[in-house]
Amino acid sequence: GNSVTQMEGPVTLSEEAFLTINCTYTATGYPSLFWYVQYPGEGLQLLLKATKADDKGSNKGFEATYRKETTSFHLEKGSVQVSDSAVYFCALSQSGGSYIPTFGRGTSLIVHP
Amino acid sequence: NAGVTQTPKFQVLKTGQSMTLQCAQDMNHNSMYWYRQDPGMGLRLIYYSASEGTTDKGEVPNGYNVSRLNKREFSLRLESAAPSQTSVYFCASSEAPGLDEQFFGPGTRLTVL
Repeated sequence: GNSVTQMEGPVTLSEEAFLTINCTYTATGYPSLFWYVQYPGEGLQLLLKATKADDKGSNKGFEATYRKETTSFHLEKGSVQVSDSAVYFCALSQSGGSYIPTFGRGTSLIVHP
Repeated sequence: NAGVTQTPKFQVLKTGQSMTLQCAQDMNHNSMYWYRQDPGMGLRLIYYSASEGTTDKGEVPNGYNVSRLNKREFSLRLESAAPSQTSVYFCASSEAPGLDEQFFGPGTRLTVL
């Protein structure tokens, strides 16, 4: 079956530091890949997505590239802010067969001033 | 445009009591989902409805039932609550099953004593 593995947290950074959160996946075929963000007390919201190999998703300074050869979709940001403190979820989904989306366990990011 | 709404926001039950969590979306989406979120476990799918008139089990359906009342509404029922069902419950919707991003509600925090 499908699976998503992302690095355990919490990740603690100082403001303006570089962020990488690793995500690797297992899936048959060609899934779509997503990063969702969850701020305290809220539901998840889409941060970015990529639907085919070598696509780069980007939003709010965050980027992730769909790497089929390494089955990865790592999240990066060049300079984090305190307001980026949240939990980040990597996820995949695909059409046909099972429609069940697969989420990673989430990585908590804490950014200090 | 409210997106995905959930009621109630908080609920405390005693073991054995029943309750229904309500979810509605105003985006004319075909697919709807119920998840639970527990510390260290990420999101786990309880039930989903790929389209109006259909429902299917997810990863953790035991102890729950669902009803897709119409295209807008998807309710989750706990017939006899147990302490193991203490969790935060999220409803989500997507335009179609599979490749589309999901839109999440704000969640219901349920405690079963």
